[in-house]
Amino acid sequence: GAGVSQSPSNKVTEKGKDVELRCDPISGHTALYWYRQRLGQGLEFLIYFQGNSAPDKSGLPSDRFSAERTGESVSTLTIQRTQQEDSAVYLCASSATSGQYNEQFFGPGTRLTVL
Amino acid sequence: AQSVTQLDSQVPVFEEAPVELRCNYSSSVSVYLFWYVQYPNQGLQLLLKYLSGSTLVKGINGFEAEFNKSQTSFHLRKPSVHISDTAEYFCAVTPPSGNKLTFGTGTQLKVEL
Repeated sequence: GAGVSQSPSNKVTEKGKDVELRCDPISGHTALYWYRQRLGQGLEFLIYFQGNSAPDKSGLPSDRFSAERTGESVSTLTIQRTQQEDSAVYLCASSATSGQYNEQFFGPGTRLTVL
Repeated sequence: AQSVTQLDSQVPVFEEAPVELRCNYSSSVSVYLFWYVQYPNQGLQLLLKYLSGSTLVKGINGFEAEFNKSQTSFHLRKPSVHISDTAEYFCAVTPPSGNKLTFGTGTQLKVEL
């Protein structure tokens, strides 16, 4: 079956603009995760969803970042008033459930460049 | 909270030579440990994992790793590398609830002829 997909694959935007990044998890996966990978750094956890609720938002770096998930499927990560330090690859992952270990399957990522 | 240290940012090695990529972690609770591989312009792929049981775990593509609790290490090894192993390798941990992974900064493995 299809894996995790993300769109767009690349996004270039101007400082101050808002952007939306989309993630389509593997069908039937109830848990969904967002990570950020900045150049030369490891992946940083941003937020995870179990169903449509987000029990852990601790990794969101500021109130400019928000995420939502609808229908226990697609998730959108929104960054408002983008800054140059937001430039990174944003990775989405999904797993069968959370609360116990289940392998997280990663999408190819969205490369965001803020000019 | 957990943290992961990958001291080697880059590891060059000749084809067919052995390689070891180092990973050390810190955690106040027990954790599960993972190695992921990221090929150029691709997403992360799980290479292997340690959840419990035998401390020597084998993964895909001939890689293996050994969990050492006393040294809080989970080093990745391969006895003979190929050009196709050129990629970035990430060590990660998670508490048994498995809700979020904590990653190291990655090691770029470059296999040369």
